[in-house]
Amino acid sequence: NAGVTQTPKFQVLKTGQSMTLQCAQDMNHEYMSWYRQDPGMGLRLIHYSVGAGITDQGEVPNGYNVSRSTTEDFPLRLLSAAPSQTSVYFCASTQGRVYNEQFFGPGTRLTVL
Amino acid sequence: GQQVMQIPQYQHVQEGEDFTTYCNSSTTLSNIQWYKQRPGGHPVFLIQLVKSGEVKKQKRLTFQFGEAKKNSSLHITATQTTDVGTYFCAGPSNDYKLSFGAGTTVTVRA
Repeated sequence: NAGVTQTPKFQVLKTGQSMTLQCAQDMNHEYMSWYRQDPGMGLRLIHYSVGAGITDQGEVPNGYNVSRSTTEDFPLRLLSAAPSQTSVYFCASTQGRVYNEQFFGPGTRLTVL
Repeated sequence: GQQVMQIPQYQHVQEGEDFTTYCNSSTTLSNIQWYKQRPGGHPVFLIQLVKSGEVKKQKRLTFQFGEAKKNSSLHITATQTTDVGTYFCAGPSNDYKLSFGAGTTVTVRA
């Protein structure tokens, strides 16, 4: 099993550009989520999904969109990148809900100029 | 909403010494999870505590859940260079949201 995979590993964008961060898992997990990590702030939940076709907002959803067309994939879209979105983004998955062990992907380091 | 706070933010430890990091929640938690993130890496699950007053050990790491289920601690004995990294605690806000503390970043002096 590859676990949770994320692409790209690094990305540099200019302000106003859009892009999609990819996330996939091969563990048949129902629950998937996106976090951003900023220095001194821990991990903050952006969006989450409890299954194909079902998504909802987390703590910091503004500027991001998600969709879940399959169990395996959970892409995160930046609609119009801003310097405040410079961060490290982690995708995670788990079986069931957040009461269980979260499996994290390797992360995407995004810089917005 | 629920807040999970961790102290200290940074811990500089002499190799071989012990240290403790603390986690406090503004609300009662159904469980608490601990994760470790090595420099440049991703968070990796260490353990989950569920019961009031629960204590679990993993080699040199001891995890404790408070009696009121609002606080937790991670104690590391005889710190080694392999302990370097950031340790996060996390507690569910509800069925779907996990709140992470800001983390304790540990550096070790050889």
